[in-house]
Amino acid sequence: GAVVSQHPSRVICKSGTSVKIECRSLDFQATTMFWYRQFPKQSLMLMATSNEGSKATYEQGVEKDKFLINHASLTLSTLTVTSAHPEDSSFYICSASPGLGDTQYFGPGTRLTVL
Amino acid sequence: GNSVTQMEGPVTLSEEAFLTINCTYTATGYPSLFWYVQYPGEGLQLLLKATKADDKGSNKGFEATYRKETTSFHLEKGSVQVSDSAVYFCALSDLGYSSASKIIFGSGTRLSIRP
Repeated sequence: GAVVSQHPSRVICKSGTSVKIECRSLDFQATTMFWYRQFPKQSLMLMATSNEGSKATYEQGVEKDKFLINHASLTLSTLTVTSAHPEDSSFYICSASPGLGDTQYFGPGTRLTVL
Repeated sequence: GNSVTQMEGPVTLSEEAFLTINCTYTATGYPSLFWYVQYPGEGLQLLLKATKADDKGSNKGFEATYRKETTSFHLEKGSVQVSDSAVYFCALSDLGYSSASKIIFGSGTRLSIRP
C-alpha cells in the first residue's frame, strides 16, 4: 500500500529556534499534501493544503509566516515552524493524496516539544 | 461550515462485547464519510468509507452505514478484540472537484478492550 513517512518523529528545540519537518510519499507521487496539527486528546486540525509547485493554502487562523510550507517535488513537502514557542508544541501530521478525490495517506506524525 | 461530532471516550469494553461509536455530521452537499483508526504509536489508517447515502462501509469486522436522514455514520462491531484498542476518528470529506479533498475530523474516541 501507499506509504508516507515523516522525519523526524520527535524533536525538542529551544524557544526562538526554527524546526523543519519533512513529509515524503515513498511509493507514489503526491500532487497534494496536507498538514495537520493534533493537540493531546484532541482531533486533527487542518493547517494547510499544498500542491506541488504552488503556494500553500492556509486555513483560517493559521499564520503562514510562522508555518512555512514548501512542496518542491511530487514526493516531498516540508513544514518549517519558525521562531518556535512553547505553545507550538504539538503533534504534526502530514497526509498525501495522489490526485483528485478523497484518498489521503497519513504519515506517522512528528511530536514537537518547544522548551 | 462542515463538522463532525462523535461520541466522547474513553470507551472500555470486555473482549467479545458489541461496540457502537456514534458519529453525526453537518455538511452541505453530499460528502464522503470515513472512519480512521490510530493504533498506539502509529499514524492514521483508513478503516472504512462510504460515499453516498445508504452505502455501508465495512472492514475487519467493523461496519458503518451512511444515513442521510439522521446525518449519522455510527461505527459498529459485533465482537471486539484486544487488538482493536485504538483511537477512532469519524471524518468527512469536503470534496474539491479540481483538487484533492479536505478531510474534517471528529474529536476521536479512545477504545480500550479488556482481555
